[in-house]
Amino acid sequence: TQLLEQSPQFLSIQEGENLTVYCNSSSVFSSLQWYRQEPGEGPVLLVTVVTGGEVKKLKRLTFQFGDARKDSSLHITAAQPGDTGLYLCAGRPKAAGNKLTFGGGTRVLVKP
Amino acid sequence: GAGVSQSPSNKVTEKGKDVELRCDPISGHTALYWYRQSLGQGLEFLIYFQGNSAPDKSGLPSDRFSAERTGGSVSTLTIQRTQQEDSAVYLCASSLDLLAGPRSEQFFGPGTRLTVL
Repeated sequence: TQLLEQSPQFLSIQEGENLTVYCNSSSVFSSLQWYRQEPGEGPVLLVTVVTGGEVKKLKRLTFQFGDARKDSSLHITAAQPGDTGLYLCAGRPKAAGNKLTFGGGTRVLVKP
Repeated sequence: GAGVSQSPSNKVTEKGKDVELRCDPISGHTALYWYRQSLGQGLEFLIYFQGNSAPDKSGLPSDRFSAERTGGSVSTLTIQRTQQEDSAVYLCASSLDLLAGPRSEQFFGPGTRLTVL
């Protein structure tokens, strides 16, 4: 059982549709990050959230950190083929210092 | 470029052989991490180096795995007597952990794809 559970594992949608990816845990995190990874490359940071209830927007992407700092979501509005990739959430458990724990990832495919 | 580099990009080896994977972090980054990623899956933490502190080896799956970081810069991950289940992409990341705290960003290399036949 992973400390961070992502759902769904795979999402295939048409260009222009909206999608939401969830990242859930029973543990509290001092911060939570979302990364995006493309084939053959390492993950790249999209956003960091640190305050319970925090909402951050990055163009068509909206990130939310749960009030209790145990969960997060990523919402993409009007998805484009360029949004295709593996989305990974990663959290710093309160007792683990700077070490990151990654979720299992959500593979997103946006078809033109 | 000034990013994290890893070599080789691909490594095919036979079961039982030893392999060494190299990581060159971003200059000045004090923290260095190794992760393992199975096909299309999340990242599994292996080991973490922070400055001159003793490394956090809590993620190493067996005593066949070891890592060194020489001079606070380049790191080598060694897998002895490789097994087929060691096949995966091995990713290295570096960061400025000490000052950035919970907002610290990890910068990843492109990974080494290891295939054990």
